Parts: sequence; structure tokens; C-alpha cells
Amino acid sequence: DAGITQSPRYKITETGRQVTLMCHQTWSHSYMFWYRQDLGHGLRLIYYSAAADITDKGEVPDGYVVSRSKTENFPLTLESATRSQTSVYFCASSDGGQETQYFGPGTRLLVL
Amino acid sequence: KQEVTQIPAALSVPEGENLVLNCSFTDSAIYNLQWFRQDPGKGLTSLLLIQSSQREQTSGRLNASLDKSSGRSTLYIAASQPGDSATYLCADIIQGAQKLVFGQGTRLTINP
Repeated sequence: DAGITQSPRYKITETGRQVTLMCHQTWSHSYMFWYRQDLGHGLRLIYYSAAADITDKGEVPDGYVVSRSKTENFPLTLESATRSQTSVYFCASSDGGQETQYFGPGTRLLVL
Repeated sequence: KQEVTQIPAALSVPEGENLVLNCSFTDSAIYNLQWFRQDPGKGLTSLLLIQSSQREQTSGRLNASLDKSSGRSTLYIAASQPGDSATYLCADIIQGAQKLVFGQGTRLTINP
């Protein structure tokens, strides 16, 4: 299906474990973004990518790693999950850095 | 640092009313401003994007305005319907940046 998808949709993990959240888009958009959404903080940018092999930090990058070997995929890895990383994670893509962003359905992550 | 504020945090109105949602921002050097809709447990859906050179954009019953000098944007919803119930978020991009800065949203409830 065309669009932007995220997997898994729900994930429960334990403190200290590594977790990878996947994001895939079929539009060949050059830009991709990862946000987290928390009560009281709204949506905050974690990392973004302007093209394959080009990534940059957002507002809250600590504890996260990203890669972009292919234009259509932008995985987000929590190297050693902490309880403070319990959140809803959204992936987005756009045709340009300042164009309309299209969001995936989100991944709800619970770190115990 | 750009800050985006949406007041009120929640709004409840009867069906059929026209209503206005407010968004204010601290840095007037924006490239564009976007309005999104988020349904519970879902991702964000882009509603309207206003470029900095524009004063307003319209889509169906929605009209978004932008006044950079006062640091304000409004989203006008005409003839509200229960299906309009959702959280509405505004976000802007500063000139030269590639990152959306989000407000915390207004949770709108339309009562039948």
C-alpha cells in the first residue's frame, strides 16, 4: 500500500534492551523525520534525514540512533531503553525540508 | 528559540457552530505554518499549509489565516460537525530551518 507505515504498532520492552522502530514510505520523499509525543511536551523532533546516508539531530536525540541506507526506510533504534523513553513515536516524510509532512500511524512504546 | 502556543487546550461547542482555533508563535521569521488534525490513537493528518507570503488558505469548511506581524494564526471551522472532533495542532518552520515546531494542540469536541 502506498503511504507511510510504522512497525511495530505496539511494543513492550524492558529497561536496558535494544529496540528498533521501523518506518517505511512509498513516495520516494527525500526527507524523513522521527518525533516523540508525550503529555505535557507535545511533539518533539528526535532525528531527521534529508536523504539517504544524511541524518541530523533534532531537539531530543540522546539515547537514540538512526540510519538511512535506503530512501524509503528510516529505522530508529533505542540502544538501551529507559523508562523515560516510554512514548508514542511518529515517523513522517516530506518532499522537501520545508514542505508538508505526512505522518505514519505511530508506535506506542512502553519501557518497563 | 521558537515557541508555539495554542490556547485553549480544550474546547467544546455545539454542532453547527462556527469556531476559531488559535495559534501564536514567538519568532515571526517563519517559512510556513501548518495545521494538522490528530484523532485519538492515530497519526497526524495535514489540513492546511500557509506559506509566509500568504495571508490565508482554504480547504472546504476550513480556513487558516496567518499574521506574521502579530505572531498569530487562526483556523476557522465553519458549520462544525461531530466528525470534526479531534485534536488540532499547529506547527511552523523558521526561515532556514528544516524542523517543525509544534504547539501542544487544542482538543476540540463537537456536541451533537
